[in-house]
Amino acid sequence: AQSVAQPEDQVNVAEGNPLTVKCTYSVSGNPYLFWYVQYPNRGLQFLLKYITGDNLVKGSYGFEAEFNKSQTSFHLKKPSALVSDSALYFCAVTPLRRALTFGSGTRLQVQP
Amino acid sequence: DTGVSQNPRHKITKRGQNVTFRCDPISEHNRLYWYRQTLGQGPEFLTYFQNEAQLEKSRLLSDRFSAERPKGSFSTLEIQRTEQGDSAMYLCASSPLSQGGFSEQYFGPGTRLTVT
Repeated sequence: AQSVAQPEDQVNVAEGNPLTVKCTYSVSGNPYLFWYVQYPNRGLQFLLKYITGDNLVKGSYGFEAEFNKSQTSFHLKKPSALVSDSALYFCAVTPLRRALTFGSGTRLQVQP
Repeated sequence: DTGVSQNPRHKITKRGQNVTFRCDPISEHNRLYWYRQTLGQGPEFLTYFQNEAQLEKSRLLSDRFSAERPKGSFSTLEIQRTEQGDSAMYLCASSPLSQGGFSEQYFGPGTRLTVT
């Protein structure tokens, strides 16, 4: 069975600094990896995905993620954080192009 | 707004009552998913449909839960004899059927169920 680990419950970063939100996964076969963001009282919003190809994936709002097969990781990054990036971030994986398995989420707090 | 919509947004019910939620996916999307999210956790898969066919059900989906998508458009999720442990946010998502790839899922705002 597949699983996703987000080892940090919360990440704090100052506005303008780079940010990283970590994700590792376990899956049989080739993974399809996703990042979603959840703002209060709003649904999950898609940020980016890795299906195949280039290990560095660019997504919405200036976010990017790096797929590392040997470390089974898919960390989310942004060069310069904004206060408006403060939200709950979820990593998700599916090996079979069906339902997603989500991590437990990481709360990102960007301080002004 | 052409996104995924869910109704009602909030539902409070007494233990033992039945509840039904509705999801209207993005109109051209073939696949429809139901997830459940409890506080402090990521969404957990319940079931999914491709058009009107229910293709997979999670072990989380007990006999008290039933989902339908009768015409391959909207879907309903019914919970019979609700229990306090059913209190959660129920999320619906849809995605197009992508040849040779896997499209991201688009989520609705969710229905928050509180069982008293």
